[in-house]
Order: sequence, then C-alpha cells, then structure tokens
Amino acid sequence: DTGVSQNPRHKITKRGQNVTFRCDPISEHNRLYWYRQTLGQGPEFLTYFQNEAQLEKSRLLSDRFSAERPKGSFSTLEIQRTEQGDSAMYLCASSLVTNGNTEAFFGQGTRLTVV
Amino acid sequence: AQSVTQLGSHVSVSEGALVLLRCNYSSSVPPYLFWYVQYPNQGLQLLLKYTSAATLVKGINGFEAEFKKSETSFHLTKPSAHMSDAAEYFCAVKGSSNTGKLIFGQGTTLQVKP
Repeated sequence: DTGVSQNPRHKITKRGQNVTFRCDPISEHNRLYWYRQTLGQGPEFLTYFQNEAQLEKSRLLSDRFSAERPKGSFSTLEIQRTEQGDSAMYLCASSLVTNGNTEAFFGQGTRLTVV
Repeated sequence: AQSVTQLGSHVSVSEGALVLLRCNYSSSVPPYLFWYVQYPNQGLQLLLKYTSAATLVKGINGFEAEFKKSETSFHLTKPSAHMSDAAEYFCAVKGSSNTGKLIFGQGTTLQVKP
C-alpha cells in the first residue's frame, strides 16, 4: 500500500517532554499538510509544505511547534515542552497539485496523550 | 472567509433507512466541497467532492451529495443505511487561498441501529 503513512500511531508522554511525529506522504505528492483534531471536533489546519518549503502556518502553531520537510519527501512535526492541551490526533495529508486538483489523502494519524 | 456548519452532531437511523447528514457552507468564492468519513482511531477517507461540475455528486459506498448554491448547502445522503456506515462524517470546504487547505465542520456521528 502506498498511502500516507504516519508514525507512531500512538504516543503517551509526560508534560514537558518533547515529541516528534513522522509523516511519509504518497510518493511524488508535492504538498503535505498537518492538521490537529481534538476530541469531538473536526480537523484544524496547522501548516503545509509545497515540496520542501513551508508556505503557511496557522496561528494554532505556537512557538513550541516546528515542522520540517527536508528534501520535499517525509515530514516531521515536533512539539517541545508538551502541555496537556496538546493532547490530540495529529493528521497528515498529501496531495498532488495538477490543474487545480487538490484532493488530499490522509494518513491514519498519530494520537498524542500528554499526562 | 470560508466556513462549514454541520447541523446535528449525532444522527441515529435504523438499518435500511435513509441517511441525511446536513452541511451548510460559507464561501467568498465558488466553493470546492468535500465529505470525509472517519472510523474510530483512523484517518479520514474521502467519500465525494464537488468541484463546480455536476451539482449532484456520487461517491463511494452508495453516498451522494447535492450542491445547492441558493441554499449554500451540500447535504450527504444514502438511500439505505448499513451497519458498516456507522462512523463520523465531516464536511469540508477548500480555503479561498491557493494552498489547498481544508476547513472542516465539527462532524456528525452516524449511529445505525439494527
């Protein structure tokens, strides 16, 4: 299967610790998105990359959050000094932009629990 | 700015009954609209999308949605519910910028009773 892959699927961490998530998009997809989904809510946009360039960041993305996409392939999302409010599902999606088509394919997400 | 409102956070139907999940949007430009389904602890799967072609859009698993500009609606329907349709459903609109980011509604949980 060559869908969007996210690792780990689940992460439990203590408050104050740093965590890093990885997303492997569909091969050749030039756009990669990160969303956050809290319980009972729809996903909220965090940031996106066009190839290796990070082009937009939501104001939800505080200074403790950083995302990278070296070489325009996989991406990592790091959260420093985690807080209980960071507990959520973090979803990655990728798309291939051609002729305005921006259908996004989502991974299965990483569920973060901060205790 | 774009936004989506899903009316009804929980919908319960009997197996075999009509499924109707409501979505209203707000958009300053002609919208691209989507319906996604999410099963527990899973990512989102695209059911269908409207991209300014036919107003009646057919998707996977027997779902369809009709774009009504006059009502700013994009309701999701299925003639006959199956137990396997029980999941959370999200309506989304593509943001007005060229980023491709999606703006989601809060979701509707569909319960299917035997």
